[in-house]
Amino acid sequence: DTEVTQTPKHLVMGMTNKKSLKCEQHMGHRAMYWYKQKAKKPPELMFVYSYEKLSINESVPSRFSPECPNSSLLNLHLHALQPEDSALYLCASSPRDSEVTDTQYFGPGTRLTVL
Amino acid sequence: GDSVTQMEGPVTLSEEAFLTINCTYTATGYPSLFWYVQYPGEGLQLLLKATKADDKGSNKGFEATYRKETTSFHLEKGSVQVSDSAVYFCALNTIIQGAQKLVFGQGTRLTINP
Repeated sequence: DTEVTQTPKHLVMGMTNKKSLKCEQHMGHRAMYWYKQKAKKPPELMFVYSYEKLSINESVPSRFSPECPNSSLLNLHLHALQPEDSALYLCASSPRDSEVTDTQYFGPGTRLTVL
Repeated sequence: GDSVTQMEGPVTLSEEAFLTINCTYTATGYPSLFWYVQYPGEGLQLLLKATKADDKGSNKGFEATYRKETTSFHLEKGSVQVSDSAVYFCALNTIIQGAQKLVFGQGTRLTINP
């Protein structure tokens, strides 16, 4: 099974709200990723977690706060977002962190709209 | 830095036509190469991959060969179906700061008409 699940599927929030996105995988993968995808663009890497530790932050604004409570779960906490943050947020996982031949498996994404 | 260039779309074909989507890359080191497909409203699905020069990845009738001499990984399919309509992303995987980083091309939107 190569499934990555994400909840919720859709989220609408105001600029003053606090919300969280959730991602789960039960494949025993040790690296997990958050990507942001705007319409008609490729995904852009936001964060990488390796063995539950944050290893890469691609200069993402602090209104996005990632969390990896355990090896199967990845959260993205959202606070004081802007309308331009509206996008599809994708989670991915890979078996290892620094093996270039590994495949990253993507979840279906959360469609976020910020009003 | 590493980069991927894909042929620009959109591409529109008739059912049973031959498909080629060009992809070239620039990289230091020895990246792995991937094609991902994204259907409307969904996440990315791995279509195929190749991890070293001259490897051929294949899946669901799609093929791509890792050509180091031309730094290319062109996607081909002999006879496309309406269900192949989607956005296709070429990507390379490299290691930065000890972690994997996928570098994507801009994507090619493919529409197959019956």
